[in-house]
Amino acid sequence: DAGVTQSPTHLIKTRGQQVTLRCSPKSGHDTVSWYQQALGQGPQFIFQYYEEEERQRGNFPDRFSGHQFPNYSSELNVNALLLGDSALYLCASSLSGGYTFGSGTRLTVV
Amino acid sequence: GENVEQHPSTLSVQEGDSAVIKCTYSDSASNYFPWYKQELGKRPQLIIDIRSNVGEKKDQRIAVTLNKTAKHFSLHITETQPEDSAVYFCASRGGASGGSYIPTFGRGTSLIVHP
Repeated sequence: DAGVTQSPTHLIKTRGQQVTLRCSPKSGHDTVSWYQQALGQGPQFIFQYYEEEERQRGNFPDRFSGHQFPNYSSELNVNALLLGDSALYLCASSLSGGYTFGSGTRLTVV
Repeated sequence: GENVEQHPSTLSVQEGDSAVIKCTYSDSASNYFPWYKQELGKRPQLIIDIRSNVGEKKDQRIAVTLNKTAKHFSLHITETQPEDSAVYFCASRGGASGGSYIPTFGRGTSLIVHP
């Protein structure tokens, strides 16, 4: 049983560019959440998708958007990248109870 | 919204000693409290969780206690081993009975176990 799969694992982008990160949830999970984890910090909630709708959103600007597909997989899009967007982006899936995290995408903005 | 405070930020112990990490939360509707372990460069992994209808839960060398009245919960690791070295995150979450579905994470505790 595959866990949560994220792609790509590493990414380097230039300031001002756009990026799309992808997540496939654990089999049987229907809810996908995205987190941003800066170095030395705890994960910060970006948004959560359930039944293809954004169910809740954290304190992130509109440059951060997402989507959930009928197969429960999800994308995170970030427009107009800033240097401060450099971080580990974690996807977590759940059905009930605790989250299962993916290994993350390390985004570096230069 | 929910606010989770975690202490200490760094904890250094000798192999074999016990380690205790404490968290407090603000939302009285929170009813689920997971703990995650994140090794360097790896994903956070759920190591133990507790729901609000119990006060303590154990799994081998790891235990979690919950005091709903005081709104705090703690992770206890006994007989620590070097492989326990990692960053530990607590989290608090509500659910259908109240509170937010979204876990709020503490800032993490870096546990260092010296051989």
